[in-house]
Amino acid sequence: GAVVSQHPSWVICKSGTSVKIECRSLDFQATTMFWYRQFPKQSLMLMATSNEGSKATYEQGVEKDKFLINHASLTLSTLTVTSAHPEDSSFYICSAKDGTSTDTQYFGPGTRLTVL
Amino acid sequence: EDKVVQSPLSLVVHEGDTVTLNCSYEVTNFRSLLWYKQEKKAPTFLFMLTSSGIEKKSGRLSSILDKKELFSILNITATQTGDSAIYLCAVEGANNLFFGTGTRLTVIP
Repeated sequence: GAVVSQHPSWVICKSGTSVKIECRSLDFQATTMFWYRQFPKQSLMLMATSNEGSKATYEQGVEKDKFLINHASLTLSTLTVTSAHPEDSSFYICSAKDGTSTDTQYFGPGTRLTVL
Repeated sequence: EDKVVQSPLSLVVHEGDTVTLNCSYEVTNFRSLLWYKQEKKAPTFLFMLTSSGIEKKSGRLSSILDKKELFSILNITATQTGDSAIYLCAVEGANNLFFGTGTRLTVIP
């Protein structure tokens, strides 16, 4: 079945540094990828939607200059958290749609970011 | 290999029917199992289950976990058209959250 991977699984960084998280669709082409952030009490917030080759569409309240999203190919999207601060510590999850008739959404296993 | 499998993939029922959605898993370092309802954008959190045999209930929705047999079910009674959505099951491991591909529920009047 379709698999979405994320790298790294877990990252710890110092405040002020930038962190890049990769999301890959391993055996299908993902025309659309989504980035979510998990908040306490397990709620998920959609941060942005990215389509291959075009600029990402950010949800209201998400700073596009802080959370840079690049969807350079049909199998790779990256989220870069720039100048990370402790409040950016969270669990970031990506998902990808395969663009078929069922338009199934496949979720990655998430990346846990801890900013010290 | 960690995995979460949901069944059925798709379900069409009439209003008033009761449905049972299934989620089986193989995840190392199990911490919790989560159910979400996805209609448009971000999945909406429904339940978090950590202990076997304890039913969680919210209105017409209920869920239970069996950690011995590694599965959970989500029940929806007296379904309404507003219940139409994709229901996602996710299992939290040590550092990851593994999602199933969801069950697409369609409730017709």
